[in-house]
Amino acid sequence: GDSVTQMEGPVTLSEEAFLTINCTYTATGYPSLFWYVQYPGEGLQLLLKATKADDKGSNKGFEATYRKETTSFHLEKGSVQVSDSAVYFCALSDQAAGNKLTFGGGTRVLVKP
Amino acid sequence: EADIYQTPRYLVIGTGKKITLECSQTMGHDKMYWYQQDPGMELHLIHYSYGVNSTEKGDLSSESTVSRIRTEHFPLTLESARPSHTSQYLCASSDRAGTDTQYFGPGTRLTVL
Repeated sequence: GDSVTQMEGPVTLSEEAFLTINCTYTATGYPSLFWYVQYPGEGLQLLLKATKADDKGSNKGFEATYRKETTSFHLEKGSVQVSDSAVYFCALSDQAAGNKLTFGGGTRVLVKP
Repeated sequence: EADIYQTPRYLVIGTGKKITLECSQTMGHDKMYWYQQDPGMELHLIHYSYGVNSTEKGDLSSESTVSRIRTEHFPLTLESARPSHTSQYLCASSDRAGTDTQYFGPGTRLTVL
């Protein structure tokens, strides 16, 4: 079945540091890929998405590129802020599985001033 | 931004009580979902619906039940709450069209004493 593996946290960074969160996937079909962010005490917010190979999703300074050859969708941000402290979830939606979302385990990021 | 609402945001109740968690969306989405999020952050799909009068059990077995009488409304009910039901419950909805992107509500944090 489908699965998503993302790096375990917590990831602790200083403000203005570079952030990378690795995400790899296994899917039977041709999935769409997503990054969601969860701030403390809140639900999940869609951060970015990509629907086909080589697509790049971007939002709020975050980027991720759909790499079919390495089955990866790594999240990057060049200069993080304290307000980026949150839990980040990588997910895939596979049409072959009825478009249900499969989530990674989440990565907690803490940015210190 | 998605318009999906959950009430209450926080609920503390005693064992044996019947509770209903409300979820409503104003986007006219056909598909709706309930997830349970454990303290370790992992998300588990417990129920979903592809339209009015359609409900299915998700990947994680749950003692809760759901109904879908109106497109915009997808309540979750626990007939007799127990401490093991203590968790964060997240509701989401998506449109059949396009990438089927799921949008999440703010969540209900349930504590059963």
